[in-house]
Amino acid sequence: SAVISQKPSRDICQRGTSLTIQCQVDSQVTMMFWYRQQPGQSLTLIATANQGSEATYESGFVIDKFPISRPNLTFSTLTVSNMSPEDSSIYLCSVGQPGGTIYFGEGSWLTVV
Amino acid sequence: GIQVEQSPPDLILQEGANSTLRCNFSDSVNNLQWFHQNPWGQLINLFYIPSGTKQNGRLSATTVATERYSLLYISSSQTTDSGVYFCAGAMTTDSWGKLQFGAGTQVVVTP
Repeated sequence: SAVISQKPSRDICQRGTSLTIQCQVDSQVTMMFWYRQQPGQSLTLIATANQGSEATYESGFVIDKFPISRPNLTFSTLTVSNMSPEDSSIYLCSVGQPGGTIYFGEGSWLTVV
Repeated sequence: GIQVEQSPPDLILQEGANSTLRCNFSDSVNNLQWFHQNPWGQLINLFYIPSGTKQNGRLSATTVATERYSLLYISSSQTTDSGVYFCAGAMTTDSWGKLQFGAGTQVVVTP
């Protein structure tokens, strides 16, 4: 299994500001995934983060809005830039192995006011 | 992408009751998983079940891959089973970790 820590767990942010979410894993993993869960909704994949290369973004998500870093095999950050109330969501990172269980961090609850 | 349909959308159970949740996929998937999201937002993996049947305590799951559906059984439900249950899978033409989620089943277990 994998233990995933996310920071912050919760934050209230002002409109127009940016916030960086950290995701730390207790073992080395090739791929890390970032998801967004808007209030009352299901999870949507934002991007895939590979160490040593640019993140791959899903349709509807762009690097300028959600820049991602992946400096090593156990850590990644997601920044939510120029926030608006529509960005109020839970942001989650996940890891796993091909053909196996996928694990999620505890999530970062963002409220934009 | 694939469509993931979960039913029922909502379920209210009395403690001790049994229930079945269903997940249908519009196409074949890899990496089929079931998750439970507790009221604090944490997503707990219940099963990795690409095919066959698995059991873990009061929970069990069955996937019939050829018919593109999966079932989650909750037996002798407890109030701690409350929360949202999600199924998810990855397109066979896509990366294993890029999960498509269903809309979830909101379960409320009353004492």
